Amino acid sequence: GNSVTQMEGPVTLSEEAFLTINCTYTATGYPSLFWYVQYPGEGLQLLLKATKADDKGSNKGFEATYRKETTSFHLEKGSVQVSDSAVYFCALSTYSSASKIIFGSGTRLSIRP
Amino acid sequence: EAGVTQFPSHSVIEKGQTVTLRCDPISGHDNLYWYRRVMGKEIKFLLHFVKESKQDESGMPNNRFLAERTGGTYSTLKVQPAELEDSGVYFCASSQAFGETYEQYFGPGTRLTVT
Repeated sequence: GNSVTQMEGPVTLSEEAFLTINCTYTATGYPSLFWYVQYPGEGLQLLLKATKADDKGSNKGFEATYRKETTSFHLEKGSVQVSDSAVYFCALSTYSSASKIIFGSGTRLSIRP
Repeated sequence: EAGVTQFPSHSVIEKGQTVTLRCDPISGHDNLYWYRRVMGKEIKFLLHFVKESKQDESGMPNNRFLAERTGGTYSTLKVQPAELEDSGVYFCASSQAFGETYEQYFGPGTRLTVT
């Protein structure tokens, strides 16, 4: 079945550090891939997405590239800020089950000033 | 424009009691979804409404869970009787239509604790 595996947290970094959160997926067909973020006290927000191989999604300084050969969609940011502290979820959906988003377990990120 | 709202934000109940969670989708969104995150694990799909009809309820864990969307506006999710393993965060989402190109907008979630 379809699934998403992402690195476990918590991840703690200093401000301006480089961030990578790993995400790999298993899916039949060609899924769309997403990163969602949940800031404290708020709902899940779509951070970025990519719908086909080699696409790069980007938003707020975050980037992730859809790698079909390695079935990965790692999230990166060159210089994190305290305001990036949140829980990040990697996710996918497929054409055949487009109403269901399949999520990873989430990675809590804390940024120290 | 108001986002997806959920009520209550937190609920603490005893095992065996009943709890009803409410979700108000974004106005005009015919599609409404319920998800939950248990024990800090992955967020799992529960069900999907199109207007007042259940399009997909394959993720509902058992018959203690009952979701309704009378009139195709807000939705309720009732857990009766609640068990300890039902503790978690219940998220609601809505979208204008469904399919990969339509973003699902999520609410802040209801944290349910069953003691």
